[in-house]
Amino acid sequence: AQKITQTQPGMFVQEKEAVTLDCTYDTSDPSYGLFWYKQPSSGEMIFLIYQGSYDQQNATEGRYSLNFQKARKSANLVISASQLGDSAMYFCAMRDNYGQNFVFGPGTRLSVLP
Amino acid sequence: DAGVTQSPTHLIKTRGQQVTLRCSPKSGHDTVSWYQQALGQGPQFIFQYYEEEERQRGNFPDRFSGHQFPNYSSELNVNALLLGDSALYLCASSSSGVSPLHFGNGTRLTVT
Repeated sequence: AQKITQTQPGMFVQEKEAVTLDCTYDTSDPSYGLFWYKQPSSGEMIFLIYQGSYDQQNATEGRYSLNFQKARKSANLVISASQLGDSAMYFCAMRDNYGQNFVFGPGTRLSVLP
Repeated sequence: DAGVTQSPTHLIKTRGQQVTLRCSPKSGHDTVSWYQQALGQGPQFIFQYYEEEERQRGNFPDRFSGHQFPNYSSELNVNALLLGDSALYLCASSSSGVSPLHFGNGTRLTVT
């Protein structure tokens, strides 16, 4: 069975600083996708970034980058130049080989301090 | 371009009642998935619909059922509500089950 672990229940970062949110995963599938979502207090889940298991390079999307270490089964999210609007819950998720089910981690609450 | 829309936004029901939640997928998407998110937890997969059929189901009892219509919209039905069914119910759409999920704002269900 697939599993996502996020060991940081909460994180604080100073505005304009970079922050890394940890994610480790467990799967026996050779092909899978890893995703990060942001959930503000409004409740909507906002897609941030995607990494395929066969992608050779780490994914980047604006201020977001994914530090993918396949051998360690980790997919950490790096947010550069944090903004106050980045304060939210962040979820790491894995899509199974058949693309039909996303497994989510417990989330990390990020608070950006002015 | 309309995103995923869910209705209602909030709902209060009594234990034992039945509830129906509705979802319209993002334009161009044909697959709808439903997730339950309890307070302080990550979303849990309920089931996914494609071509009007349930394609995969998570670990949820038969009290949870769904439907997908020809226009790709979907309903989630929960019978015999329990207090533990109180949660945020998220609908997500995608294109043929691949690509990132696009979520709606959710329906917050409270069972008293």
